[in-house]
Amino acid sequence: GDSVTQMEGPVTLSEEAFLTINCTYTATGYPSLFWYVQYPGEGLQLLLKATKADDKGSNKGFEATYRKETTSFHLEKGSVQVSDSAVYFCALSDLRGGGADGLTFGKGTHLIIQP
Amino acid sequence: DVKVTQSSRYLVKRTGEKVFLECVQDMDHENMFWYRQDPGLGLRLIYFSYDVKMKEKGDIPEGYSVSREKKERFSLILESASTNQTSMYLCASSKVRGTNEKLFFGSGTQLSVL
Repeated sequence: GDSVTQMEGPVTLSEEAFLTINCTYTATGYPSLFWYVQYPGEGLQLLLKATKADDKGSNKGFEATYRKETTSFHLEKGSVQVSDSAVYFCALSDLRGGGADGLTFGKGTHLIIQP
Repeated sequence: DVKVTQSSRYLVKRTGEKVFLECVQDMDHENMFWYRQDPGLGLRLIYFSYDVKMKEKGDIPEGYSVSREKKERFSLILESASTNQTSMYLCASSKVRGTNEKLFFGSGTQLSVL
């Protein structure tokens, strides 16, 4: 079945450092790919998405490019801030059963940014 | 903005109790989902529904059931709670089936079964 593998944390960086969180996937079809973020005490919220190969999703200074040849969707940010501290989930879409859009999630990467 | 509301933020129950977790969304979404989130395991899909009175099993449905009597409400039921069901439960919804629309999540219910 479909699966998502992402680096597990915690990842600890200093403020203004460059961030990369790796994500690779296996899928039988051509899924859409997502990054969700979960801030402390909150539910998940969509950070960015890409729906086809070579698409780049971007939001709040974060970027990720859908690489079909390497089955990857790595999350990057040039200069992180303390407020970016959160858990980040990579996910892919899969159409289950009658077509509801369930997502398959990675295990999450806990990011800690130190001032 | 879409709002997904889960009835309780924290819940403590005893082993063997019947537990109801409630979720309501206010944007007429077709799809609703229940996930559980555990450290080191990420999110795992329990059940989902794409229409009133319809339900589909996710990856870990054992020990759970669901009810969707109205479009806006999706309930997760633990028929006889066990300690291994201690977890964070997240409800989510999405607009239309088959379109890869994003999921909107509630804030979660942290359930402790003693």
